Amino acid sequence: GQSLEQPSEVTAVEGAIVQINCTYQTSGFYGLSWYQQHDGGAPTFLSYNALDGLEETGRFSSFLSRSDSYGYLLLQELQMKDSASYFCAVGGYSSASKIIFGSGTRLSIRP
Amino acid sequence: DVKVTQSSRYLVKRTGEKVFLECVQDMDHENMFWYRQDPGLGLRLIYFSYDVKMKEKGDIPEGYSVSREKKERFSLILESASTNQTSMYLCASSLGVMQPQHFGDGTRLSIL
Repeated sequence: GQSLEQPSEVTAVEGAIVQINCTYQTSGFYGLSWYQQHDGGAPTFLSYNALDGLEETGRFSSFLSRSDSYGYLLLQELQMKDSASYFCAVGGYSSASKIIFGSGTRLSIRP
Repeated sequence: DVKVTQSSRYLVKRTGEKVFLECVQDMDHENMFWYRQDPGLGLRLIYFSYDVKMKEKGDIPEGYSVSREKKERFSLILESASTNQTSMYLCASSLGVMQPQHFGDGTRLSIL
């Protein structure tokens, strides 16, 4: 079957760096995406990796290793506004148009 | 900016009612999706559509149907609402395969 695993909760200190891991098991793979969702808000797209390696977008980076079925989201210089839930998502398991989401990691930032 | 609009932010219905949730996007996206979000379960795909009048089942289609008569509009229908369908429902659209999905603000549906 298809599954994604990510930690349910992570706590970090303002200004620090945090890594949120995601492992996946799918039949067919097109890419790994990350979404951010603040409480009461809609998910918003952060990044997408189709190939192995690191993608950097400002304070956020995302990494993929297809051979290990593993990826992570790296958040640097943490700010209080980064407190949110983060979802990894993989696409292409039976139809190229749909993706499946992990259950989310709730990131709490302490001053 | 892409705008995905869901018709209601909060909705309360009774068991057995037929419920319609509407979603409209303004960016001519091919793909539209309906998810439900429950605590600890993430986003689960109910149905998606990759073209007008086309639809495919997601992971949890039971008890739901969809309609896409126009490209910009994707409707989710609860044929006979039940209490276990109380949830947050999110609509999304995307331009193509693995393109970023743009989400609406969600409809929090309560079935009494």
